[in-house]
Amino acid sequence: GDSVTQMEGPVTLSEEAFLTINCTYTATGYPSLFWYVQYPGEGLQLLLKATKADDKGSNKGFEATYRKETTSFHLEKGSVQVSDSAVYFCALTPDGNNRLAFGKGNQVVVIP
Amino acid sequence: DGGITQSPKYLFRKEGQNVTLSCEQNLNHDAMYWYRQDPGQGLRLIYYSQIVNDFQKGDIAEGYSVSREKKESFPLTVTSAQKNPTAFYLCASSKGTASNINEKLFFGSGTQLSVL
Repeated sequence: GDSVTQMEGPVTLSEEAFLTINCTYTATGYPSLFWYVQYPGEGLQLLLKATKADDKGSNKGFEATYRKETTSFHLEKGSVQVSDSAVYFCALTPDGNNRLAFGKGNQVVVIP
Repeated sequence: DGGITQSPKYLFRKEGQNVTLSCEQNLNHDAMYWYRQDPGQGLRLIYYSQIVNDFQKGDIAEGYSVSREKKESFPLTVTSAQKNPTAFYLCASSKGTASNINEKLFFGSGTQLSVL
């Protein structure tokens, strides 16, 4: 079935560093792609989304581009802050289906 | 304030006991979902409901049951048949159904269930 794969392991980086979290997907149709963020002790919040190839989602300095040729939706931010410390989940909704499939998530820790 | 509320925040289950997790939303959303979150495994869908009095199994429904008698409420019961219930449970809702596949999900703040 349709699925999402995120890079292994937590990500630790210093404030103002460049952040990249890789996400690749497997889908038979044309899914919509999402990044959700989970702050400590909370539920998930939508960070950004893209609904078709070459779309770029952006929010709070984060960006991700829907790349159909590489089946990827990598999340990037040019200069992270301590407040960006959270778990980030890549997700997709398969074509014609409203059920989100999530990746395993990546813990991001930003050190002052 | 509109939102989605889960209770309790922490819940403990004894061996052989059924427990029920509450999820209420005042967003007037049609669809509601239950996810289970385990460390390093992301979120897995347990059950979802696209309309009142109807619900479907997700990927890991065994050992769980739900009801959707009211639009606002989607309680999840963790039965004694669920042998590994310790996890963080997240409820979510969205405005539409399959006809609005790009609608974002709104999540509650979760319930941590532990076994005594």
